[in-house]
Amino acid sequence: KQEVTQIPAALSVPEGENLVLNCSFTDSAIYNLQWFRQDPGKGLTSLLLIQSSQREQTSGRLNASLDKSSGRSTLYIAASQPGDSATYLCAVGGNTNAGKSTFGDGTTLTVKP
Amino acid sequence: DGGITQSPKYLFRKEGQNVTLSCEQNLNHDAMYWYRQDPGQGLRLIYYSQIVNDFQKGDIAEGYSVSREKKESFPLTVTSAQKNPTAFYLCASSIRLAGGPGNEQFFGPGTRLTVL
Repeated sequence: KQEVTQIPAALSVPEGENLVLNCSFTDSAIYNLQWFRQDPGKGLTSLLLIQSSQREQTSGRLNASLDKSSGRSTLYIAASQPGDSATYLCAVGGNTNAGKSTFGDGTTLTVKP
Repeated sequence: DGGITQSPKYLFRKEGQNVTLSCEQNLNHDAMYWYRQDPGQGLRLIYYSQIVNDFQKGDIAEGYSVSREKKESFPLTVTSAQKNPTAFYLCASSIRLAGGPGNEQFFGPGTRLTVL
Protein backbone atom coordinates (compact mmCIF):
# COMPACT_ATOMS: atom_id res chain seq x y z
CA LYS A 1 0.00 0.00 0.00
CA GLN A 2 1.33 3.40 -0.97
CA GLU A 3 2.14 5.73 1.95
CA VAL A 4 2.86 9.41 1.52
CA THR A 5 4.62 11.51 4.16
CA GLN A 6 5.12 15.26 4.31
CA ILE A 7 7.68 16.70 6.69
CA PRO A 8 7.60 19.11 8.44
CA ALA A 9 3.93 19.35 9.39
CA ALA A 10 4.34 23.11 9.89
CA LEU A 11 6.88 25.68 8.79
CA SER A 12 7.25 29.39 9.58
CA VAL A 13 9.61 31.64 7.61
CA PRO A 14 10.21 35.38 7.19
CA GLU A 15 9.08 37.05 3.98
CA GLY A 16 11.56 36.83 1.11
CA GLU A 17 13.11 33.53 2.13
CA ASN A 18 13.45 30.64 -0.30
CA LEU A 19 12.06 27.38 1.07
CA VAL A 20 11.61 23.70 0.28
CA LEU A 21 8.68 21.46 1.15
CA ASN A 22 9.19 17.70 1.14
CA CYS A 23 7.03 14.78 0.06
CA SER A 24 8.15 11.16 0.32
CA PHE A 25 6.41 8.00 -0.86
CA THR A 26 7.04 4.32 -0.26
CA ASP A 27 6.28 2.78 -3.65
CA SER A 28 8.20 4.13 -6.63
CA ALA A 29 5.80 2.63 -9.20
CA ILE A 30 3.93 5.88 -9.73
CA TYR A 31 2.29 7.51 -12.73
CA ASN A 32 2.35 11.08 -11.49
CA LEU A 33 2.70 13.40 -8.52
CA GLN A 34 0.59 16.50 -7.99
CA TRP A 35 1.17 19.42 -5.61
CA PHE A 36 -1.80 21.36 -4.26
CA ARG A 37 -2.40 24.45 -2.16
CA GLN A 38 -5.27 24.64 0.34
CA ASP A 39 -6.37 27.82 2.09
CA PRO A 40 -8.32 27.45 5.37
CA GLY A 41 -11.86 26.20 4.78
CA LYS A 42 -11.35 26.02 1.01
CA GLY A 43 -10.91 23.38 -1.64
CA LEU A 44 -7.58 22.35 -3.17
CA THR A 45 -5.91 24.35 -5.93
CA SER A 46 -3.63 22.46 -8.28
CA LEU A 47 -0.13 23.95 -8.43
CA LEU A 48 1.97 21.51 -10.42
CA LEU A 49 1.62 18.05 -11.93
CA ILE A 50 4.74 16.00 -12.61
CA GLN A 51 4.43 12.93 -14.78
CA SER A 52 6.56 9.90 -13.96
CA SER A 53 8.77 10.52 -17.00
CA GLN A 54 9.60 14.06 -15.86
CA ARG A 55 12.17 15.27 -13.36
CA GLU A 56 10.70 18.69 -12.62
CA GLN A 57 8.04 21.25 -13.42
CA THR A 58 8.07 25.01 -12.97
CA SER A 59 5.36 27.63 -12.62
CA GLY A 60 6.35 31.15 -11.69
CA ARG A 61 8.13 31.09 -8.31
CA LEU A 62 7.34 27.39 -7.83
CA ASN A 63 9.51 24.48 -8.87
CA ALA A 64 8.66 20.86 -8.17
CA SER A 65 11.11 18.01 -8.60
CA LEU A 66 10.60 14.27 -8.67
CA ASP A 67 13.05 11.47 -7.88
CA LYS A 68 11.16 8.21 -8.24
CA SER A 69 14.07 5.98 -7.32
CA SER A 70 14.42 7.58 -3.91
CA GLY A 71 10.68 8.10 -3.45
CA ARG A 72 10.91 11.87 -3.03
CA SER A 73 9.51 15.08 -4.39
CA THR A 74 10.27 18.64 -3.35
CA LEU A 75 8.36 21.87 -3.87
CA TYR A 76 10.67 24.88 -3.99
CA ILE A 77 9.14 28.30 -3.37
CA ALA A 78 11.34 31.26 -4.25
CA ALA A 79 11.14 34.66 -2.58
CA SER A 80 8.25 33.71 -0.30
CA GLN A 81 5.41 36.19 0.31
CA PRO A 82 2.73 36.38 3.03
CA GLY A 83 0.20 35.38 0.37
CA ASP A 84 1.97 32.02 0.09
CA SER A 85 0.73 31.13 3.59
CA ALA A 86 -1.42 28.01 3.19
CA THR A 87 -1.31 24.24 3.54
CA TYR A 88 0.53 22.42 0.77
CA LEU A 89 -0.40 18.83 -0.04
CA CYS A 90 1.15 16.31 -2.38
CA ALA A 91 -0.75 13.45 -4.02
CA VAL A 92 0.88 10.42 -5.59
CA GLY A 93 -0.87 8.45 -8.32
CA GLY A 94 0.23 4.92 -9.10
CA ASN A 95 -0.70 1.51 -10.33
CA THR A 96 -0.29 -0.05 -6.89
CA ASN A 97 -3.47 1.73 -5.83
CA ALA A 98 -5.64 0.88 -8.84
CA GLY A 99 -4.63 4.14 -10.47
CA LYS A 100 -5.95 6.29 -7.63
CA SER A 101 -4.13 9.05 -5.79
CA THR A 102 -2.76 8.86 -2.24
CA PHE A 103 -2.46 12.13 -0.34
CA GLY A 104 0.00 13.27 2.30
CA ASP A 105 -1.23 15.12 5.40
CA GLY A 106 0.23 18.41 4.20
CA THR A 107 2.68 21.07 5.38
CA THR A 108 1.20 24.27 6.79
CA LEU A 109 3.34 27.22 5.73
CA THR A 110 3.28 30.62 7.42
CA VAL A 111 5.21 33.47 5.81
CA LYS A 112 5.68 36.38 8.22
CA PRO A 113 5.83 39.93 6.86
CA ASP B 1 -16.24 29.54 -16.44
CA GLY B 2 -15.42 25.86 -16.28
CA GLY B 3 -15.19 24.29 -12.88
CA ILE B 4 -16.62 22.19 -10.09
CA THR B 5 -19.40 23.37 -7.82
CA GLN B 6 -20.45 21.87 -4.51
CA SER B 7 -23.54 22.65 -2.48
CA PRO B 8 -24.34 23.49 0.15
CA LYS B 9 -21.22 25.11 1.62
CA TYR B 10 -22.33 24.27 5.16
CA LEU B 11 -24.69 21.47 6.18
CA PHE B 12 -26.04 20.50 9.57
CA ARG B 13 -27.51 17.10 10.23
CA LYS B 14 -29.26 15.55 13.17
CA GLU B 15 -28.22 12.10 14.21
CA GLY B 16 -30.15 9.41 12.34
CA GLN B 17 -30.74 11.53 9.23
CA ASN B 18 -29.46 10.92 5.73
CA VAL B 19 -28.11 13.94 3.86
CA THR B 20 -27.04 14.39 0.24
CA LEU B 21 -24.13 16.55 -0.89
CA SER B 22 -24.18 17.89 -4.42
CA CYS B 23 -21.24 17.95 -6.87
CA GLU B 24 -21.49 19.26 -10.42
CA GLN B 25 -18.75 19.77 -13.03
CA ASN B 26 -18.79 21.36 -16.49
CA LEU B 27 -15.25 20.32 -17.43
CA ASN B 28 -16.45 17.34 -19.51
CA HIS B 29 -14.38 15.05 -17.27
CA ASP B 30 -15.12 11.33 -17.17
CA ALA B 31 -13.77 10.66 -13.68
CA MET B 32 -15.15 12.08 -10.44
CA TYR B 33 -14.25 11.54 -6.78
CA TRP B 34 -15.41 12.17 -3.24
CA TYR B 35 -12.89 12.71 -0.45
CA ARG B 36 -13.22 13.30 3.24
CA GLN B 37 -10.84 15.57 5.15
CA ASP B 38 -10.57 15.65 8.93
CA PRO B 39 -8.70 18.44 10.80
CA GLY B 40 -4.95 18.34 10.29
CA GLN B 41 -5.16 15.36 8.00
CA GLY B 42 -4.87 14.63 4.33
CA LEU B 43 -7.67 13.43 2.09
CA ARG B 44 -9.21 10.00 2.22
CA LEU B 45 -11.07 8.58 -0.77
CA ILE B 46 -14.74 7.66 -0.22
CA TYR B 47 -15.99 6.75 -3.70
CA TYR B 48 -14.91 7.35 -7.27
CA SER B 49 -16.46 6.99 -10.70
CA GLN B 50 -14.59 6.48 -13.95
CA ILE B 51 -17.61 6.81 -16.20
CA VAL B 52 -21.38 7.32 -16.12
CA ASN B 53 -23.35 4.54 -14.41
CA ASP B 54 -20.22 3.11 -12.83
CA PHE B 55 -18.63 3.79 -9.45
CA GLN B 56 -16.22 2.07 -7.07
CA LYS B 57 -15.64 2.10 -3.32
CA GLY B 58 -12.63 3.96 -2.04
CA ASP B 59 -10.81 3.44 1.24
CA ILE B 60 -13.62 4.58 3.58
CA ALA B 61 -16.92 3.85 1.78
CA GLU B 62 -18.85 2.45 4.76
CA GLY B 63 -21.87 4.62 5.62
CA TYR B 64 -21.80 6.47 2.28
CA SER B 65 -23.53 5.97 -1.07
CA VAL B 66 -23.24 7.61 -4.50
CA SER B 67 -24.83 7.63 -7.94
CA ARG B 68 -23.55 8.67 -11.36
CA GLU B 69 -26.55 9.00 -13.65
CA LYS B 70 -25.12 11.97 -15.55
CA LYS B 71 -21.57 12.79 -16.56
CA GLU B 72 -21.78 16.19 -14.88
CA SER B 73 -23.14 15.07 -11.51
CA PHE B 74 -21.86 12.83 -8.70
CA PRO B 75 -23.96 13.27 -5.53
CA LEU B 76 -22.84 11.78 -2.21
CA THR B 77 -25.30 10.58 0.43
CA VAL B 78 -24.11 10.38 4.01
CA THR B 79 -26.31 7.80 5.69
CA SER B 80 -27.16 7.28 9.33
CA ALA B 81 -24.82 4.29 9.26
CA GLN B 82 -21.80 6.61 9.10
CA LYS B 83 -20.63 6.74 12.72
CA ASN B 84 -18.61 9.94 12.62
CA PRO B 85 -19.76 12.03 9.66
CA THR B 86 -18.63 15.48 10.86
CA ALA B 87 -15.91 16.46 8.36
CA PHE B 88 -15.04 18.54 5.31
CA TYR B 89 -16.12 16.83 2.08
CA LEU B 90 -14.35 17.53 -1.20
CA CYS B 91 -15.41 16.57 -4.71
CA ALA B 92 -12.90 16.34 -7.54
CA SER B 93 -12.73 15.41 -11.20
CA SER B 94 -10.17 14.53 -13.86
CA ILE B 95 -10.23 13.76 -17.57
CA ARG B 96 -9.57 10.12 -16.81
CA LEU B 97 -8.81 8.28 -13.59
CA ALA B 98 -6.41 10.38 -11.51
CA GLY B 99 -3.24 8.52 -10.77
CA GLY B 100 -3.00 7.48 -14.38
CA PRO B 101 -0.39 9.03 -16.64
CA GLY B 102 -0.71 12.80 -16.78
CA ASN B 103 -4.19 13.03 -15.31
CA GLU B 104 -4.52 16.26 -13.34
CA GLN B 105 -7.13 16.36 -10.60
CA PHE B 106 -9.31 19.44 -9.96
CA PHE B 107 -11.29 20.17 -6.81
CA GLY B 108 -14.50 21.90 -5.81
CA PRO B 109 -14.77 24.33 -2.86
CA GLY B 110 -16.00 21.70 -0.39
CA THR B 111 -18.97 21.14 1.93
CA ARG B 112 -18.56 21.24 5.70
CA LEU B 113 -20.93 18.77 7.36
CA THR B 114 -21.67 19.00 11.07
CA VAL B 115 -23.73 16.48 13.00
CA LEU B 116 -25.69 18.06 15.84
